[in-house]
Amino acid sequence: DAKTTQPPSMDCAEGRAANLPCNHSTISGNEYVYWYRQIHSQGPQYIIHGLKNNETNEMASLIITEDRKSSTLILPHATLRDTAVYYCIVRVDTGTASKLTFGTGTRLQVTL
Amino acid sequence: DTAVSQTPKYLVTQMGNDKSIKCEQNLGHDTMYWYKQDSKKFLKIMFSYNNKELIINETVPNRFSPKSPDKAHLNLHINSLELGDSAVYFCASSQDPPYTSTDTQYFGPGTRLTVL
Repeated sequence: DAKTTQPPSMDCAEGRAANLPCNHSTISGNEYVYWYRQIHSQGPQYIIHGLKNNETNEMASLIITEDRKSSTLILPHATLRDTAVYYCIVRVDTGTASKLTFGTGTRLQVTL
Repeated sequence: DTAVSQTPKYLVTQMGNDKSIKCEQNLGHDTMYWYKQDSKKFLKIMFSYNNKELIINETVPNRFSPKSPDKAHLNLHINSLELGDSAVYFCASSQDPPYTSTDTQYFGPGTRLTVL
């Protein structure tokens, strides 16, 4: 089962920042938060990941709360091509392997 | 150049048949995966191989048999296909084994399997 909770859908105007929230209240101290997105009919695409500190790359920023129970993915200037399902994932480690368990995600619709 | 490729893109077949889906990655990665995305869009991991060794095997019927001839290839063979096997199957690869800090997975375009 996914360890994350996300709103099922969100809208964002093109050019504005899209802030996608995620709750992971049962996260353990060494578990990473990952974000992937899936544009219609394509394979999932990695966006960003983090453990405790905020992270930024060319695609997005990841803000993780101090207690690590929630995080927010920020797309600073959303475009129509950012319309996709965004998955927040807590990576579960089993000792010899780890798994990315995808939940239902947030469907982000970017509009003109 | 396609990083992770799958063939075929579409596969339509009758119940009871045996079929294979092929996956190749040209990223030099050590770890490869198979995922299944059903009609409700839930994406679930099925298998993971690291250096041709099976390291993740979820609760998948033994009709599904992954085969890794080398690090760059992970094929999925399905025996006695059933209606419930209809789904999109995604292959993925990552640089490191799935227990390191990076574990960024790169996904293929998917194979849409329809069982009639």
